[in-house]
Amino acid sequence: AQTVTQSQPEMSVQEAETVTLSCTYDTSENNYYLFWYKQPPSRQMILVIRQEAYKQQNATENRFSVNFQKAAKSFSLKISDSQLGDTAMYFCAFMNAGTASKLTFGTGTRLQVTL
Amino acid sequence: GAVVSQHPSRVICKSGTSVKIECRSLDFQATTMFWYRQFPKQSLMLMATSNEGSKATYEQGVEKDKFLINHASLTLSTLTVTSAHPEDSSFYICSASLYDTEAFFGQGTRLTVV
Repeated sequence: AQTVTQSQPEMSVQEAETVTLSCTYDTSENNYYLFWYKQPPSRQMILVIRQEAYKQQNATENRFSVNFQKAAKSFSLKISDSQLGDTAMYFCAFMNAGTASKLTFGTGTRLQVTL
Repeated sequence: GAVVSQHPSRVICKSGTSVKIECRSLDFQATTMFWYRQFPKQSLMLMATSNEGSKATYEQGVEKDKFLINHASLTLSTLTVTSAHPEDSSFYICSASLYDTEAFFGQGTRLTVV
């Protein structure tokens, strides 16, 4: 079974600054996907970024980028130029290929962006 | 993009009654859907895998007789919480996949049992 660990329950960052959220995972599989989801107070799950394990290049989406270290099983999220709207819970998630998008989530990191 | 709609978004029911939650894939067919449960300030925990035309697969510790799942069509899965009790109060979220590479989530249902 896969496990996903987020060791930072809460983090705070000032507006316009950069913050990095940590995530590690454990799996014996070789073909999988990793995700970061944002859950604002509305509780709608919003996909922030996705990384395919077979790709060495780190995924980027505008102000969001990841540092994917496959050998270390590490998948951190960097948010640049933080905005007040980034305040939310962030979940790291793992998905084995071929499982119809069955996800295993980490415990989450609550990010607060302050003025 | 793929859209998953969940209904109702919020429901309050009396203890001992049953509540049905619907999860629909609006613009694609989903042979598999997933149901998650989220307690306040906690993560999403997978409850069960809903398979179109067959029985659902429940995660360990989830009571299949309490949480009835029906996936009668390629666009609809339902979760029925039977004989609900206050401890069943939670946030329930469904997801479905279009290409098996990304999950699309419903808006979630906040269930309160009084």
